[in-house]
Amino acid sequence: GAVVSQHPSWVICKSGTSVKIECRSLDFQATTMFWYRQFPKQSLMLMATSNEGSKATYEQGVEKDKFLINHASLTLSTLTVTSAHPEDSSFYICSGVIGAYGYTFGSGTRLTVV
Amino acid sequence: AQTVTQSQPEMSVQEAETVTLSCTYDTSESDYYLFWYKQPPSRQMILVIRQEAYKQQNATENRFSVNFQKAAKSFSLKISDSQLGDAAMYFCAYRSGGSNYKLTFGKGTLLTVNP
Repeated sequence: GAVVSQHPSWVICKSGTSVKIECRSLDFQATTMFWYRQFPKQSLMLMATSNEGSKATYEQGVEKDKFLINHASLTLSTLTVTSAHPEDSSFYICSGVIGAYGYTFGSGTRLTVV
Repeated sequence: AQTVTQSQPEMSVQEAETVTLSCTYDTSESDYYLFWYKQPPSRQMILVIRQEAYKQQNATENRFSVNFQKAAKSFSLKISDSQLGDAAMYFCAYRSGGSNYKLTFGKGTLLTVNP
């Protein structure tokens, strides 16, 4: 089946630095990729929708300058957390759209900002 | 905007027994899709079952089945012959039928399976 490979699976960074999370579609073309944030024992919160070759659409309340999303090719979408702070620590998940109503999720990235 | 409500934060079931997880949603649309996803401790999201709103027949996948009540806007998940591996967080999700592929998730139900 269609697979999205998400890396890194976990990362620790210092406050003020930036960190990039990559999601690669291995066997399908991901025209659209969704980025979610998930706090412990909570649901997935949609942060933004990225479409290949165009600017990402951010959900209300999500800082576009802090969470930079790039979707330059049909197989790669990236999320960069800029000037990270401890409150940005969370679990980040990407999801690609397959066909008319299918989704495949990355395995997630646990970000810890110290 | 559509909302998805899972009223059971936690549920438990004995191994081999049956459990039903509740989900209701609010929408004014007639064309949409509903999903149940499982998130085990690994946190990998796994599709359990999907239902197209235009289909009257309830979807089934082996031990998993849904009770889709369109008029009541209800979409419950029944797990039969529960297994230890079914222990996970379960999320109900909604997607509009148009070109907007966004998923709206409920808050989730944590299912514990007791041996």
